[in-house]
Amino acid sequence: GAVVSQHPSRVICKSGTSVKIECRSLDFQATTMFWYRQFPKQSLMLMATSNEGSKATYEQGVEKDKFLINHASLTLSTLTVTSAHPEDSSFYICSARDPLAGQHNEQFFGPGTRLTVL
Amino acid sequence: TQLLEQSPQFLSIQEGENLTVYCNSSSVFSSLQWYRQEPGEGPVLLVTVVTGGEVKKLKRLTFQFGDARKDSSLHITAAQPGDTGLYLCAGVDRGSTLGRLYFGRGTQLTVWP
Repeated sequence: GAVVSQHPSRVICKSGTSVKIECRSLDFQATTMFWYRQFPKQSLMLMATSNEGSKATYEQGVEKDKFLINHASLTLSTLTVTSAHPEDSSFYICSARDPLAGQHNEQFFGPGTRLTVL
Repeated sequence: TQLLEQSPQFLSIQEGENLTVYCNSSSVFSSLQWYRQEPGEGPVLLVTVVTGGEVKKLKRLTFQFGDARKDSSLHITAAQPGDTGLYLCAGVDRGSTLGRLYFGRGTQLTVWP
């Protein structure tokens, strides 16, 4: 199956700093990537849909000025958490669609990034 | 918003037992996907069901899509400790050209040896 990587896998930062998370499709081109947030023992919550070359589409209640998304190439999308606070601590997961691999909009997920804001 | 109700939320069983996880909605989906997630990792796709009434088998796992494409079930036979994980169902929005998924709340399965 298609492989998606995320970097870093784990990050600890001080309150008020910004953190950038990268999501890469390793062996395919992804025009669309998705960013999710997940709390312990809970399901995935879609934050935004990232489209290559255009602005991201944010879900209701997600602050676009706080969670900056850039999808500058067909293999890379970045999520920047600006002025992070302890309540932003969570598990962030990206996914990507491989138009050639999935006929039914299957998404392939990265391994996730654990963000801890002190 | 298309909602998927997944049950049970938690399931703790002994090795060798059978179990079924349900995923229900009032909405029709173009397809429905099942994922399994282990702690600290991203979800891994298990199967996609597309046709109403479809049944797919993956070793000891049996997936079924309802005739009306509104619900699905996952049945595990003779569960093993290696089956432990978070199981997620996700429906594909029929109206989304980008393939937006609607996830159920997940079922945390623990299989004890």
